Amino acid sequence: GDSVTQMEGPVTLSEEAFLTINCTYTATGYPSLFWYVQYPGEGLQLLLKATKADDKGSNKGFEATYRKETTSFHLEKGSVQVSDSAVYFCALSDNNNDMRFGAGTRLTVKP
Amino acid sequence: ETGVTQTPRHLVMGMTNKKSLKCEQHLGHNAMYWYKQSAKKPLELMFVYNFKEQTENNSVPSRFSPECPNSSHLFLHLHTLQPEDSALYLCASSQGSGQQETQYFGPGTRLLVL
Repeated sequence: GDSVTQMEGPVTLSEEAFLTINCTYTATGYPSLFWYVQYPGEGLQLLLKATKADDKGSNKGFEATYRKETTSFHLEKGSVQVSDSAVYFCALSDNNNDMRFGAGTRLTVKP
Repeated sequence: ETGVTQTPRHLVMGMTNKKSLKCEQHLGHNAMYWYKQSAKKPLELMFVYNFKEQTENNSVPSRFSPECPNSSHLFLHLHTLQPEDSALYLCASSQGSGQQETQYFGPGTRLLVL
């Protein structure tokens, strides 16, 4: 079945460092891809999404490009802030609207 | 504010208790979901409701019983749970059920089964 594999954490960075969190997927069709973020004590919030190949999702300085050839949707940010500390989830949604999530990557940004 | 609220936020129950989790969405959405989030495991989709009709049940044990009386409310009734059911239970909603739909999550109910 469809699945998502994302980089295991935890990831610890200094403020203003470059962030990459890898995400690859397995799907039989052409899924939509998402990044969700979960701040402490809260539910998941959509960070960005892409619905077809070569689409780039972006929000709050974060970007991810839907790469069909490498089945990837890596999350990047050029300069992280302390407030970006959270758990990041990569996810896909297929034709059956079955949302599959990765295990999550915990990011800690230190001042 | 996400527009999706869940109560209670924390719940401790014994294995013989009966309790219910409540979710309410104020977004005018038509689809609602229950997920289970356990430590170090991916989110597990439990149930999906679309226009108040259950459209998915991912082999969830019968000790979990969902109820969707209308498009804005979703309940999860709990009965004779096991300690391994301790987890964060997240409710979500979306406008429709297409694959491009964004799901909006509540803050979750953290459940501890003793």
